[in-house]
Amino acid sequence: DSGVTQTPKHLITATGQRVTLRCSPRSGDLSVYWYQQSLDQGLQFLIHYYNGEERAKGNILERFSAQQFPDLHSELNLSSLELGDSALYFCASSVWQGTNTGELFFGEGSRLTVL
Amino acid sequence: QKEVEQDPGPLSVPEGAIVSLNCTYSNSAFQYFMWYRQYSRKGPELLMYTYSSGNKEDGRFTAQVDKSSKYISLFIRDSQPSDSATYLCAALNSGGYQKVTFGIGTKLQVIP
Repeated sequence: DSGVTQTPKHLITATGQRVTLRCSPRSGDLSVYWYQQSLDQGLQFLIHYYNGEERAKGNILERFSAQQFPDLHSELNLSSLELGDSALYFCASSVWQGTNTGELFFGEGSRLTVL
Repeated sequence: QKEVEQDPGPLSVPEGAIVSLNCTYSNSAFQYFMWYRQYSRKGPELLMYTYSSGNKEDGRFTAQVDKSSKYISLFIRDSQPSDSATYLCAALNSGGYQKVTFGIGTKLQVIP
């Protein structure tokens, strides 16, 4: 158990809808990262928050947004969903503002299916 | 071109075999190199990390980095069915924003 909690584990929704994925980092970790994993693209970095502030953006679509709350949990909001958004969404956490050895602690993911 | 290239496999080997998993990368700024293991329906977990070129051994696992050829390897000795998983290589750049870049992952099956 990595200590990172993600909900929901599975989500099925329709095109055009909006969903929110939630992540609680390991106790003491200030950084939260969101990744999208698909069979053809692998793990793609979406966004990184450190202690409530956005630290870096990756390949995140404008229809997606995220935030990190004062209690350090994070939410990833996906709107105007398309079939291609179906994927596994992972949250990861680390202690530091960056990750100086590449060690990230991943949750078990949220599997999103858009029909 | 992806910054970290990895053959997705799948790779099937008999129990007890030596497994060799490989990646190549293109970004010269990468300084830390990692291997993550991901079991089915689970999140990736860090297996090993290596700084710059060289070898690192941990039990049955050996990670090897050759920066001159931009080649990353993971060797698994005496492979076990419990090693069946997807192995993702990853790299971390030095300087500026340190982002972990992942390969697509190689799916390994060790057959009893």
